[in-house]
Amino acid sequence: NAGVTQTPKFQVLKTGQSMTLQCAQDMNHEYMSWYRQDPGMGLRLIHYSVGAGITDQGEVPNGYNVSRSTTEDFPLRLLSAAPSQTSVYFCTSRVPSTDTQYFGPGTRLTVL
Amino acid sequence: ILNVEQSPQSLHVQEGDSTNFTCSFPSSNFYALHWYRWETAKSPEALFVMTLNGDEKKKGRISATLNTKEGYSYLYIKGSQPEDSATYLCASQNAGGTSYGKLTFGQGTILTVHP
Repeated sequence: NAGVTQTPKFQVLKTGQSMTLQCAQDMNHEYMSWYRQDPGMGLRLIHYSVGAGITDQGEVPNGYNVSRSTTEDFPLRLLSAAPSQTSVYFCTSRVPSTDTQYFGPGTRLTVL
Repeated sequence: ILNVEQSPQSLHVQEGDSTNFTCSFPSSNFYALHWYRWETAKSPEALFVMTLNGDEKKKGRISATLNTKEGYSYLYIKGSQPEDSATYLCASQNAGGTSYGKLTFGQGTILTVHP
């Protein structure tokens, strides 16, 4: 199993540009989520999904969209990038039986 | 306690020292408490998931305890080694409803073990 994969690893955007951060898992996990990590703020939940076709907002959803058309993929879309979205983004998936969440390698995004 | 809080923020110890950190979390609507180890330039790695009051888990030299009634968990490292240097995160998971599965993270304890 590749586990949780994320692409790209690094990205630089200009203010106002849009982009999609990709996340995929090959473990057939129903639950997936996106977090952002900022210095002094800890990991904060952006959006999550409990299965294909079902998504919900987390703590800091503004400026981001998600969709879950398949169990494997959970992309995060930045609609109009802002400098405040400069962060490291982590995608996770959860093992139902143990509640353990597995993290992807992260995407470091800089918005100029 | 409304948020998940970890103390201390950072800790420097000598190789061979034993150390412990604290995670405080809201005790109402509690479902599980997670501990993660996060090394620099890597992604967080799950250490323990604990659900029962009084639970104690162990992995090698690392162990954790849980008190759900008062809302705290301790992580212990016995005989710290330089490779234990990392940020240790805890996260609280609430029970049921729309909160199911969502983790609220603390800010972490940064451990540095000096040779």
